[in-house]
Amino acid sequence: NAGVTQTPKFRVLKTGQSMTLLCAQDMNHEYMYWYRQDPGMGLRLIHYSVGEGTTAKGEVPDGYNVSRLKKQNFLLGLESAAPSQTSVYFCASTGGTEAFFGQGTRLTVV
Amino acid sequence: AQSVTQLDSQVPVFEEAPVELRCNYSSSVSVYLFWYVQYPNQGLQLLLKYLSGSTLVKGINGFEAEFNKSQTSFHLRKPSVHISDTAEYFCAVSDIDSSYKLIFGSGTRLLVRP
Repeated sequence: NAGVTQTPKFRVLKTGQSMTLLCAQDMNHEYMYWYRQDPGMGLRLIHYSVGEGTTAKGEVPDGYNVSRLKKQNFLLGLESAAPSQTSVYFCASTGGTEAFFGQGTRLTVV
Repeated sequence: AQSVTQLDSQVPVFEEAPVELRCNYSSSVSVYLFWYVQYPNQGLQLLLKYLSGSTLVKGINGFEAEFNKSQTSFHLRKPSVHISDTAEYFCAVSDIDSSYKLIFGSGTRLLVRP
């Protein structure tokens, strides 16, 4: 029973490089979310999706793009990484009443 | 827009003492409320949730929380804490009108001392 799986778990990027974070869920959930966690700020919503083929901006969307081509997958892209994007990224999914979280991706941009 | 306030950034307490972690949210017609725990270098684990019904909600590890609609609060309590309860605790709120987006508080670090 995998739940929500994020890859990779760790990554170090140089400023200006690009990368994609993958989130996969096996619970047939419609709703998926990407959050970033920074010290003292809790989790802030980057982008979210309410179903296959849909995406919407959250609280802190700048510098990120997302895609949801398949219901089970939600991709987060950084086109040109900046040091301010150093953070821990969490993906979550829900069917409506309880959200399930991945284990996180620790990203460092140098 | 919804917002969540956790007034205490850190709460130190001695082992076996009771603890209360405070959470207030902005008003909404109907909300779901959650408490999550995060141990160092790990993901978020659901402690308990309020969806409807009884305002006293019991969760895992002996934690409980009470939903107070008039005060828009959802405080977390435990009658006797253990060293292993040392962790970061997050209060969160979501509602149907916002696509079930979870809005988090800034977190409270519970530090249990022997």
